[in-house]
Amino acid sequence: DAKTTQPTSMDCAEGRAANLPCNHSTISGNEYVYWYRQIHSQGPQYIIHGLKNNETNEMASLIITEDRKSSTLILPHATLRDTAVYYCIVRGGTYKYIFGTGTRLKVLA
Amino acid sequence: EAQVTQNPRYLITVTGKKLTVTCSQNMNHEYMSWYRQDPGLGLRQIYYSMNVEVTDKGDVPEGYKVSRKEKRNFPLILESPSPNQTSLYFCASGISKNTEAFFGQGTRLTVV
Repeated sequence: DAKTTQPTSMDCAEGRAANLPCNHSTISGNEYVYWYRQIHSQGPQYIIHGLKNNETNEMASLIITEDRKSSTLILPHATLRDTAVYYCIVRGGTYKYIFGTGTRLKVLA
Repeated sequence: EAQVTQNPRYLITVTGKKLTVTCSQNMNHEYMSWYRQDPGLGLRQIYYSMNVEVTDKGDVPEGYKVSRKEKRNFPLILESPSPNQTSLYFCASGISKNTEAFFGQGTRLTVV
């Protein structure tokens, strides 16, 4: 599975969009991009995933560049409850999730 | 409610005393897995199971055992716990290897 690179931490003002970047330059054609978040020490929570097209659900949007070497998770209107560690994971039909250190997002009031 | 349930949530035990952490899912998922999370190391996979009676090692299987006798249950067994197994443990399940996984709320284990 491809390795991902994320910023260590980010701040975002409450009510504004939070844009979390992820680089995955070694991604291969059959690998998906998944995003999870972990609030405090709770179990990781699935957010969204995609292959090459942009995806949107009730929680977030996922924008994947045309060359698929990077992606951005967008939380359109961040709230204090979105403060968490966000993990970008690339996996291609295996049973393994490789969690890196993620991005610690702090939403500021 | 669809969920992955782990028990206990917190456990303090002594070195060498066998223990089992249970994991149960009510979503009829084929795939189940165990992870441990340690500061600075992220989540690391211990064991996983693709279906009943089918299990395989993850990245850090030493000192752990698992079994998958029923589809819904995937217990993690520590035959002789040691202090280096003090960690936060998560169980996860998924429909298949190509879909998202759902995680339990975690078990914080301390071995003294």
